[in-house]
Amino acid sequence: DGGITQSPKYLFRKEGQNVTLSCEQNLNHDAMYWYRQDPGQGLRLIYYSQIVNDFQKGDIAEGYSVSREKKESFPLTVTSAQKNPTAFYLCASLNDRTYEQYFGPGTRLTVT
Amino acid sequence: QKEVEQNSGPLSVPEGAIASLNCTYSDRVSQSFFWYRQYSGKSPELIMSIYSNGDKEDGRFTAQLNKASQYVSLLIRDSQPSDSATYLCAVNMDSTGGGADGLTFGKGTHLIIQP
Repeated sequence: DGGITQSPKYLFRKEGQNVTLSCEQNLNHDAMYWYRQDPGQGLRLIYYSQIVNDFQKGDIAEGYSVSREKKESFPLTVTSAQKNPTAFYLCASLNDRTYEQYFGPGTRLTVT
Repeated sequence: QKEVEQNSGPLSVPEGAIASLNCTYSDRVSQSFFWYRQYSGKSPELIMSIYSNGDKEDGRFTAQLNKASQYVSLLIRDSQPSDSATYLCAVNMDSTGGGADGLTFGKGTHLIIQP
């Protein structure tokens, strides 16, 4: 069953702690993306990776870091430098024939 | 500045009627256009893609694109209560047409289908 998985679904952390969100895909897609969604807002691009061992900053990369050691995996770390980390985090991958992006179920992060 | 604009709504439509959702975008070189449906608390689900001027139909959904006017729309025929959701317009503004730079999203239109 092909798709994108994200874990955990809900995550609670104290302010000042780093936290890593998992994203895995078995669609054999090269490009993967992390977006953030705040209430009543559209999605904003944090980081993307077009190929293993390479990634680029999106529009709101400050306070975040990523790695891409395997094609299937693109974890996102929310660091303590991120001023407003509470949000819904969405991972996506790209079908490079159609340019369509498909999303995982998301991780809802709450930092108090 | 790359921008995608949508009316936030809510847009209220009676069951069985046609729902019309609109979107404008700022970058004239945009190549690919997408509509996503997002239910409350869930992730976006791709429902339509359109790449060239004109209409594209898929079941009860029709996407319309006018690149000269930088305008894309989504029509939902025979609206059902299950269509009640937020609809996100997304545009790939990668000037190379490669599509890999990520999408620019509008804030979404909240659609309510009244039984």
